[in-house]
This record gives sequence, C-alpha cells and structure tokens, in this order.
Amino acid sequence: ETGVTQTPRHLVMGMTNKKSLKCEQHLGHNAMYWYKQSAKKPLELMFVYNFKEQTENNSVPSRFSPECPNSSHLFLHLHTLQPEDSALYLCASSRGVGRNTEAFFGQGTRLTVV
Amino acid sequence: GIQVEQSPPDLILQEGANSTLRCNFSDSVNNLQWFHQNPWGQLINLFYIPSGTKQNGRLSATTVATERYSLLYISSSQTTDSGVYFCAVDPNTGNQFYFGTGTSLTVIP
Repeated sequence: ETGVTQTPRHLVMGMTNKKSLKCEQHLGHNAMYWYKQSAKKPLELMFVYNFKEQTENNSVPSRFSPECPNSSHLFLHLHTLQPEDSALYLCASSRGVGRNTEAFFGQGTRLTVV
Repeated sequence: GIQVEQSPPDLILQEGANSTLRCNFSDSVNNLQWFHQNPWGQLINLFYIPSGTKQNGRLSATTVATERYSLLYISSSQTTDSGVYFCAVDPNTGNQFYFGTGTSLTVIP
C-alpha cells in the first residue's frame, strides 16, 4: 500500500464507450501525475497537476481528458479510444514539483480497448 | 529532453547471486528514484537517491550526480526479486520524471 489508490484495476472498453479512471492519494501531496505504460516502452508522462492546476500536457490526444477537482483526486476521462491506447495507466503523487520530491505510484489500471 | 539509459536490459540470475544494475542520465537532475515493478504492474519505491549511497536490507544504491549515473546493487538475490527495475530522474529544468527502459530481472531457483 503506497497511499495512492487507483480504480478500476482492469477495464475493457469499446471504441465508442466513455469511461473514467480514478486516482486518490492519502499522502497530503500537492502534485499528481498520469503516466502511460505500453508494452516494451518506457513510462510516458501524460499530465501533471500541481495544486489542482495543470502544469504539463505532453501532447496527449484530446480523447484523454484529465480532471483534478482537488489535490487528493485525479481523474482521466476516456472517450472514443483506439486499440493502440490499450496500456497500463499509472497515477502518481508527490509533495510538489521540482527539487526534493519523491513520487509514489498507484497499482495502475490495465486498459484494453476493443 | 533528458535521456535515461539502463543496463543491462535483461538479466537472469541464479538464486543467491549478486547483481549490479546501472542507470546513466544525460543531464543534471534534482531527483532520482529506483523502482521495482512487480508482475501486477505496481511500481514499488526502492530508493530516493539524488546523490550518495543508501542501503535497505539486501539492496543498496549509489548515485554519482557529477558523473550522471546511479547503480542499484542486489545481493543474495531471491525469486521474489524478479520483475522490472526502473530508474527515474527529474531534471533540474523540469517538473516531471523521465523513466529509463528498465532492466528485466529473472531470478531462478
């Protein structure tokens, strides 16, 4: 248990579906992150939120829409995904961004798009 | 952006053997972490080590920031050590963690 919880753990969705991934952290951190891990690739950063404000968007397609209502919760809304979006989606949090910030990860959501 | 290279990419060990995993990075960093990804995908924090040496049981890590590399030592390996080990760095100029491609470790009984 790292203090970062993701739900659901597994998700299968069709290309026309709309679904959301949820991340919650109980560590009192101010920064939250979404990462994508595809097979045989390094983890890729998707979004960074610091004090509920989005500070990074690494050219992520608009079919992925993040939402950060407060510093403890982070969502990733999914719509009209493609099969190549199938991957492990990992959420992380840290005290802040920049110097001396250790990141902690959730268990991930394994997404399959059919 | 910063380049993070890990070696070796794959490693097979007999139980009880020792190993050294390496992480090279191409620019100055604020933070460096080592993670172990278990078969279910969870990233487990091993070390937060932007510089210096730390030890935790059979594992230890050393980061030489001026020479831009970090080493993870695993001694007396066990089958439960199997999985992928990632190094992640946060460069001085950014606010995100860049991951290496990982070392896939298999420990056989």
